[in-house]
Amino acid sequence: GENVEQHPSTLSVQEGDSAVIKCTYSDSASNYFPWYKQELGKRPQLIIDIRSNVGEKKDQRIAVTLNKTAKHFSLHITETQPEDSAVYFCAASRGTGNQFYFGTGTSLTVIP
Amino acid sequence: DARVTQTPRDKVTEMGQEVTMRCQPILGHNTVFWYRQTMMQGLELLAYFRNRAPLDDSGMPKDRFSAEMPDATLATLKIQPSEPRDSAVYFCASGLGVNTEAFFGQGTRLTVV
Repeated sequence: GENVEQHPSTLSVQEGDSAVIKCTYSDSASNYFPWYKQELGKRPQLIIDIRSNVGEKKDQRIAVTLNKTAKHFSLHITETQPEDSAVYFCAASRGTGNQFYFGTGTSLTVIP
Repeated sequence: DARVTQTPRDKVTEMGQEVTMRCQPILGHNTVFWYRQTMMQGLELLAYFRNRAPLDDSGMPKDRFSAEMPDATLATLKIQPSEPRDSAVYFCASGLGVNTEAFFGQGTRLTVV
C-alpha cells in the first residue's frame, strides 16, 4: 500500500514568516494530494488539493507544489497568522476507490 | 450547510462493553470512511465503503471491530468487546467519489476504562 511520510512533526514560526511542510509518497500511481487542517478539538478540513496533472496550485496565502518524479509534495503558507496554528495533514490517493493515506501530521505554531 | 453527523460525540465505557458509533454521511455522497486518530498513530483508515459496499477494512482489527452501512444514510462502527487501547477519536468522513474532498464529521471521542 501507499506510505506517506510528513516532515517536520512540529514547526514554530514568527507571525508574518513563511511555513513549509513536506511530504513524500511511495506509490507512483497516486494522483490526488489533499491537505487538511485540524484545529484543536475539531475535525480535519480540506484547505487545498492538487492533482497529478498540475505542478503547483495557489489559493491566497496557501500554495502546494508537486514533484511527481521525486514523489514529493509540499505545502507553503506565506504571511502566517496566529489562526494558522493547527495540525496539518497531507494525504495521497491513487484514485481507485478514493482511499486516502494520511501523513502523521505537522503541528504548526505561529508566534504572535 | 451539509455536514457529516456523528453520534455520540463522547463515550466513556468500561472495558468489555460493546460500543456503537454512528455516522450520517452527507446526502448524495457515495463513499464513507472510518478513521481512528491517536497521538501516536495519527489518522488510521479503519474501513471504507463505496455505494454501501465495503471496499477495504484491512486496517480494522477483525476480531473486535465491525463496520456496516445498513442504508445510504447510516454507517456504523462497532467494537465488541472494547479495550482500553481502543481509546481514541473516531472520525467518519464522506465523499463523492474518486479524487474528491473527504468531509469529516466532528468525531466520537471514545474512552475505555
